[in-house]
Amino acid sequence: GENVEQHPSTLSVQEGDSAVIKCTYSDSASNYFPWYKQELGKRPQLIIDIRSNVGEKKDQRIAVTLNKTAKHFSLHITETQPEDSAVYFCAASRVTGFQKLVFGTGTRLLVSP
Amino acid sequence: NAGVTQTPKFQVLKTGQSMTLQCAQDMNHEYMSWYRQDPGMGLRLIHYSVGAGITDQGEVPNGYNVSRSTTEDFPLRLLSAAPSQTSVYFCASSPFLSDEQYFGPGTRLTVT
Repeated sequence: GENVEQHPSTLSVQEGDSAVIKCTYSDSASNYFPWYKQELGKRPQLIIDIRSNVGEKKDQRIAVTLNKTAKHFSLHITETQPEDSAVYFCAASRVTGFQKLVFGTGTRLLVSP
Repeated sequence: NAGVTQTPKFQVLKTGQSMTLQCAQDMNHEYMSWYRQDPGMGLRLIHYSVGAGITDQGEVPNGYNVSRSTTEDFPLRLLSAAPSQTSVYFCASSPFLSDEQYFGPGTRLTVT
Protein backbone atom coordinates (compact mmCIF):
# COMPACT_ATOMS: atom_id res chain seq x y z
CA GLY A 1 0.00 0.00 0.00
CA GLU A 2 0.83 3.68 -0.08
CA ASN A 3 3.40 5.11 2.33
CA VAL A 4 3.90 8.86 2.78
CA GLU A 5 6.97 10.30 4.49
CA GLN A 6 7.05 13.95 5.59
CA HIS A 7 9.99 16.16 6.59
CA PRO A 8 10.89 18.01 8.69
CA SER A 9 8.89 17.09 11.78
CA THR A 10 9.38 20.60 13.19
CA LEU A 11 10.25 23.86 11.47
CA SER A 12 10.94 27.21 13.10
CA VAL A 13 11.11 30.38 11.02
CA GLN A 14 11.06 34.12 11.57
CA GLU A 15 8.04 36.11 10.47
CA GLY A 16 8.44 37.05 6.82
CA ASP A 17 10.67 34.08 5.96
CA SER A 18 9.63 31.27 3.65
CA ALA A 19 8.87 27.73 4.82
CA VAL A 20 9.12 24.54 2.81
CA ILE A 21 7.74 21.14 3.83
CA LYS A 22 8.51 18.05 1.76
CA CYS A 23 6.71 14.73 1.30
CA THR A 24 7.53 11.59 -0.62
CA TYR A 25 5.11 8.85 -1.59
CA SER A 26 5.60 5.26 -2.65
CA ASP A 27 2.60 4.35 -4.84
CA SER A 28 3.16 5.55 -8.40
CA ALA A 29 -0.61 5.22 -8.99
CA SER A 30 -1.38 7.98 -6.46
CA ASN A 31 -2.63 11.05 -8.28
CA TYR A 32 -4.13 13.36 -5.67
CA PHE A 33 -2.04 15.24 -3.09
CA PRO A 34 -3.74 17.52 -0.55
CA TRP A 35 -2.25 19.54 2.28
CA TYR A 36 -4.13 20.03 5.54
CA LYS A 37 -3.49 22.59 8.28
CA GLN A 38 -4.37 21.75 11.86
CA GLU A 39 -4.24 24.40 14.56
CA LEU A 40 -3.81 23.31 18.16
CA GLY A 41 -6.91 21.48 19.38
CA LYS A 42 -8.76 22.04 16.12
CA ARG A 43 -9.84 19.94 13.17
CA PRO A 44 -7.70 19.52 10.01
CA GLN A 45 -8.63 21.87 7.19
CA LEU A 46 -7.70 21.61 3.54
CA ILE A 47 -5.48 24.50 2.43
CA ILE A 48 -4.36 23.44 -1.03
CA ASP A 49 -4.25 20.34 -3.21
CA ILE A 50 -2.80 19.21 -6.51
CA ARG A 51 -3.51 16.45 -8.99
CA SER A 52 -0.83 14.58 -10.88
CA ASN A 53 -1.59 16.24 -14.21
CA VAL A 54 -0.35 19.55 -12.76
CA GLY A 55 3.20 20.40 -11.68
CA GLU A 56 2.52 23.46 -9.54
CA LYS A 57 -0.42 25.24 -7.99
CA LYS A 58 -0.52 28.57 -6.13
CA ASP A 59 -3.02 30.23 -3.86
CA GLN A 60 -1.83 33.61 -2.56
CA ARG A 61 1.09 32.90 -0.18
CA ILE A 62 0.97 29.11 -0.45
CA ALA A 63 2.03 26.87 -3.31
CA VAL A 64 2.45 23.17 -3.89
CA THR A 65 4.85 21.56 -6.34
CA LEU A 66 4.77 17.97 -7.57
CA ASN A 67 7.54 15.86 -9.11
CA LYS A 68 5.89 12.65 -10.34
CA THR A 69 9.15 11.12 -11.53
CA ALA A 70 10.79 11.45 -8.12
CA LYS A 71 7.48 10.85 -6.30
CA HIS A 72 7.71 13.87 -4.08
CA PHE A 73 5.69 17.01 -3.49
CA SER A 74 6.29 20.10 -1.42
CA LEU A 75 4.36 22.89 0.33
CA HIS A 76 5.81 26.38 0.08
CA ILE A 77 4.63 29.21 2.32
CA THR A 78 6.03 32.67 1.58
CA GLU A 79 6.01 35.74 3.81
CA THR A 80 5.11 33.65 6.84
CA GLN A 81 2.96 35.15 9.57
CA PRO A 82 2.44 34.07 13.20
CA GLU A 83 -1.03 32.78 12.28
CA ASP A 84 0.64 30.26 9.96
CA SER A 85 1.87 28.45 13.09
CA ALA A 86 0.18 25.03 13.06
CA VAL A 87 0.76 21.39 12.17
CA TYR A 88 0.71 20.70 8.44
CA PHE A 89 -0.10 17.27 7.00
CA CYS A 90 0.48 16.06 3.48
CA ALA A 91 -1.50 13.15 2.07
CA ALA A 92 -1.76 11.05 -1.06
CA SER A 93 -4.46 8.94 -2.66
CA ARG A 94 -5.68 7.47 -5.91
CA VAL A 95 -8.67 9.28 -7.33
CA THR A 96 -11.25 6.48 -7.42
CA GLY A 97 -14.39 8.07 -5.99
CA PHE A 98 -13.86 8.19 -2.24
CA GLN A 99 -10.44 9.60 -1.38
CA LYS A 100 -8.68 6.99 0.77
CA LEU A 101 -6.09 9.42 2.02
CA VAL A 102 -2.77 8.22 3.43
CA PHE A 103 -1.33 10.99 5.59
CA GLY A 104 2.21 11.94 6.41
CA THR A 105 3.24 12.27 10.05
CA GLY A 106 2.93 16.05 10.13
CA THR A 107 5.21 19.10 10.40
CA ARG A 108 4.89 21.51 13.30
CA LEU A 109 5.56 24.99 11.94
CA LEU A 110 6.38 27.77 14.39
CA VAL A 111 6.55 31.33 13.08
CA SER A 112 8.17 33.72 15.52
CA PRO A 113 7.36 37.45 15.39
CA ASN B 1 -25.50 24.39 8.44
CA ALA B 2 -23.77 22.82 11.45
CA GLY B 3 -21.45 20.89 9.11
CA VAL B 4 -19.94 17.75 10.66
CA THR B 5 -20.69 17.26 14.34
CA GLN B 6 -19.25 14.69 16.75
CA THR B 7 -20.24 13.63 20.25
CA PRO B 8 -18.90 13.31 22.83
CA LYS B 9 -15.92 15.71 22.82
CA PHE B 10 -14.12 13.77 25.53
CA GLN B 11 -14.56 10.23 26.86
CA VAL B 12 -12.74 8.03 29.35
CA LEU B 13 -13.35 4.29 29.20
CA LYS B 14 -12.07 1.33 31.14
CA THR B 15 -10.54 -1.59 29.28
CA GLY B 16 -13.27 -3.91 28.00
CA GLN B 17 -16.06 -1.33 27.99
CA SER B 18 -17.99 -0.60 24.84
CA MET B 19 -19.17 2.71 23.44
CA THR B 20 -20.32 4.47 20.30
CA LEU B 21 -18.83 7.67 18.93
CA GLN B 22 -21.46 9.66 17.13
CA CYS B 23 -20.98 11.54 13.85
CA ALA B 24 -23.57 13.48 11.91
CA GLN B 25 -23.49 15.81 8.91
CA ASP B 26 -26.19 18.06 7.50
CA MET B 27 -24.62 18.75 4.11
CA ASN B 28 -26.18 15.74 2.34
CA HIS B 29 -22.71 14.33 1.61
CA GLU B 30 -22.53 10.82 0.21
CA TYR B 31 -19.10 9.96 1.61
CA MET B 32 -18.30 9.68 5.31
CA SER B 33 -15.25 8.34 7.09
CA TRP B 34 -13.54 7.86 10.43
CA TYR B 35 -9.87 8.59 11.17
CA ARG B 36 -7.78 8.24 14.29
CA GLN B 37 -4.94 10.61 15.09
CA ASP B 38 -2.06 9.49 17.27
CA PRO B 39 1.00 11.57 18.21
CA GLY B 40 3.70 11.33 15.56
CA MET B 41 1.58 9.17 13.24
CA GLY B 42 -0.71 11.53 11.38
CA LEU B 43 -4.28 10.51 10.62
CA ARG B 44 -5.16 6.94 9.70
CA LEU B 45 -8.38 5.80 8.02
CA ILE B 46 -10.45 3.36 10.11
CA HIS B 47 -13.66 2.83 8.10
CA TYR B 48 -15.50 4.69 5.40
CA SER B 49 -18.88 4.74 3.65
CA VAL B 50 -19.79 5.77 0.12
CA GLY B 51 -23.52 5.87 0.86
CA ALA B 52 -26.28 4.65 3.13
CA GLY B 53 -25.98 0.91 3.63
CA ILE B 54 -22.43 0.72 2.23
CA THR B 55 -19.33 0.58 4.40
CA ASP B 56 -15.76 -0.61 3.91
CA GLN B 57 -12.54 -0.99 5.86
CA GLY B 58 -9.71 1.49 5.85
CA GLU B 59 -6.11 1.19 7.00
CA VAL B 60 -6.72 0.30 10.68
CA PRO B 61 -10.21 -1.30 11.07
CA ASN B 62 -9.53 -3.87 13.79
CA GLY B 63 -11.51 -3.32 16.99
CA TYR B 64 -14.04 -0.98 15.36
CA ASN B 65 -17.45 -1.47 13.75
CA VAL B 66 -19.51 0.93 11.67
CA SER B 67 -22.89 1.05 10.02
CA ARG B 68 -24.66 3.67 7.93
CA SER B 69 -28.42 3.48 7.98
CA THR B 70 -28.96 7.10 6.91
CA THR B 71 -27.06 9.63 4.80
CA GLU B 72 -26.62 11.89 7.84
CA ASP B 73 -25.20 9.55 10.49
CA PHE B 74 -22.10 7.37 10.67
CA PRO B 75 -21.47 6.01 14.19
CA LEU B 76 -18.24 4.27 15.18
CA ARG B 77 -18.52 1.43 17.70
CA LEU B 78 -15.83 0.13 20.00
CA LEU B 79 -17.00 -3.29 21.19
CA SER B 80 -14.29 -3.93 23.79
CA ALA B 81 -12.06 -0.92 24.36
CA ALA B 82 -8.29 -1.41 24.69
CA PRO B 83 -5.59 1.07 25.81
CA SER B 84 -4.23 0.97 22.23
CA GLN B 85 -7.44 2.72 21.15
CA THR B 86 -6.57 5.84 23.15
CA SER B 87 -6.54 8.48 20.44
CA VAL B 88 -8.31 11.47 18.93
CA TYR B 89 -11.03 10.38 16.52
CA PHE B 90 -12.14 12.52 13.60
CA CYS B 91 -15.18 11.97 11.44
CA ALA B 92 -15.19 13.47 7.94
CA SER B 93 -17.62 13.83 5.08
CA SER B 94 -17.36 14.81 1.42
CA PRO B 95 -19.71 15.16 -1.53
CA PHE B 96 -19.84 12.53 -4.27
CA LEU B 97 -16.65 12.56 -6.39
CA SER B 98 -15.33 15.58 -4.49
CA ASP B 99 -11.74 15.89 -3.32
CA GLU B 100 -12.15 17.93 -0.15
CA GLN B 101 -13.03 16.15 3.08
CA TYR B 102 -14.73 18.18 5.82
CA PHE B 103 -13.65 17.12 9.28
CA GLY B 104 -15.64 17.20 12.48
CA PRO B 105 -14.22 18.72 15.71
CA GLY B 106 -12.93 15.38 17.01
CA THR B 107 -13.47 13.14 20.04
CA ARG B 108 -10.62 12.61 22.48
CA LEU B 109 -10.86 9.06 23.85
CA THR B 110 -8.79 7.69 26.71
CA VAL B 111 -8.89 4.00 27.60
CA THR B 112 -7.43 3.09 31.00
